Amino acid sequence: QSSLTQPPSVSAAPGQTVSISCSGGSSNIGINSVSWYQHLPGTAPKLLIFDTDKRPSGIPDRFSGSKSGTSATLGITGLQTGDEADYYCATWDIRLSIVLFGGGTKVTVL
Amino acid sequence: QVQLEQSGGDVRKPGASVKVSCKASGYTFSNYGIAWVRRAPGQGPEWMGWSSPYNFNTYYAQNFQGRVTMTADTSTSTASMELRSLRSDDTAVYYCARVQSNYLHGTYYFSYMDVWGKGTSVTVSS
Repeated sequence: QSSLTQPPSVSAAPGQTVSISCSGGSSNIGINSVSWYQHLPGTAPKLLIFDTDKRPSGIPDRFSGSKSGTSATLGITGLQTGDEADYYCATWDIRLSIVLFGGGTKVTVL
Repeated sequence: QVQLEQSGGDVRKPGASVKVSCKASGYTFSNYGIAWVRRAPGQGPEWMGWSSPYNFNTYYAQNFQGRVTMTADTSTSTASMELRSLRSDDTAVYYCARVQSNYLHGTYYFSYMDVWGKGTSVTVSS
């Protein structure tokens, strides 16, 4: 089973900005919307971004999503210690008829 | 509020089966689909499949075809996932999630997962 490609980790100081990339292909990100999830071990994953660039209610506008071609990006501005978590992208793949996930990116606040 | 409460962790021997339940509350159960995702130690999430809203038609990932059964009981607002012929590499945390889907030309299409359970740990060991 294929997966989307994310960097294993990113880090920045409090208040700074990080971007997490998610690379796929023409049968997934290239044609479908992307969602992003925040996950702390032992807890339920939380939806951060849906339909590529929309935020559910309650998610601060420090979190943003975008897409270009077969890659998507999650941006986090004004980084806070509470943002330390694993972040996953996901999208439907029309060729495999499954949801593909990224391998996850661990965000560390220095 | 909208919640998905999953059953407790389990230990199984290779070759056995395990059934994980996921009780929904705070919303009309049949109006949404349910997905199952697992995460093995040190790995990213893996899609297992989902059931569409209303009729709960099931769509399994090819990797699990023939070994998994996903069901939904609307009378108790509970979804279940049974995995059979367990192997050691089935050791993982199993999550259920509510699915937002799009309806087009008589078919429901997966869109995204908006509410997740906290996960059920399944360990397969002799």
